[in-house]
Amino acid sequence: SQQGEEDPQALSIQEGENATMNCSYKTSINNLQWYRQNSGRGLVHLILIRSNEREKHSGRLRVTLDTSKKSSSLLITASRAADTASYFCATDGGNTPLVFGKGTRLSVIA
Amino acid sequence: DVKVTQSSRYLVKRTGEKVFLECVQDMDHENMFWYRQDPGLGLRLIYFSYDVKMKEKGDIPEGYSVSREKKERFSLILESASTNQTSMYLCASSPTLGHTDTQYFGPGTRLTVL
Repeated sequence: SQQGEEDPQALSIQEGENATMNCSYKTSINNLQWYRQNSGRGLVHLILIRSNEREKHSGRLRVTLDTSKKSSSLLITASRAADTASYFCATDGGNTPLVFGKGTRLSVIA
Repeated sequence: DVKVTQSSRYLVKRTGEKVFLECVQDMDHENMFWYRQDPGLGLRLIYFSYDVKMKEKGDIPEGYSVSREKKERFSLILESASTNQTSMYLCASSPTLGHTDTQYFGPGTRLTVL
């Protein structure tokens, strides 16, 4: 099944810096979602962007989608220690459930 | 707020035991899902259900079965636990019959099979 792949696998930044994570996928999609997972916990939905949208904002989060390149990016601005988590993209497969990538592990150092 | 609860946060079982993992959601969601999460492999879908008494295999159903007798409850069953089923198990639900709805996750059950 198709799977989004996040890049980089791990990212370490200082508090206050911006963090950018990328997701690439293989086949056409209806929408793409980003989720966050704190260590040892379940995933929490952050944002959904539809295939006809190019950019979406939610607080300090900015998501872009480029369907021609089959890629998306998640930008977290002015990062905080509390943003330390793993971030996953999830793509729909049409008639199949969401498929999650392997995640980017973000560490924000105070 | 949607709440998805899982019966245990941590579970230790012995090889060959029958293991039940329970998941309950309180928002009348149609869809429920079971995943396992392993380092370096991400989330992999085991089974999902779109309705009561209905189930569909995911990507890795071998060694597992499920039960959905009531809309709010989705159980994952390991018929005979093996050490390679040591993992984090995550349950999720989503509102409608659409495959691509936002999913709401439980806190996870970390299962160790000795």
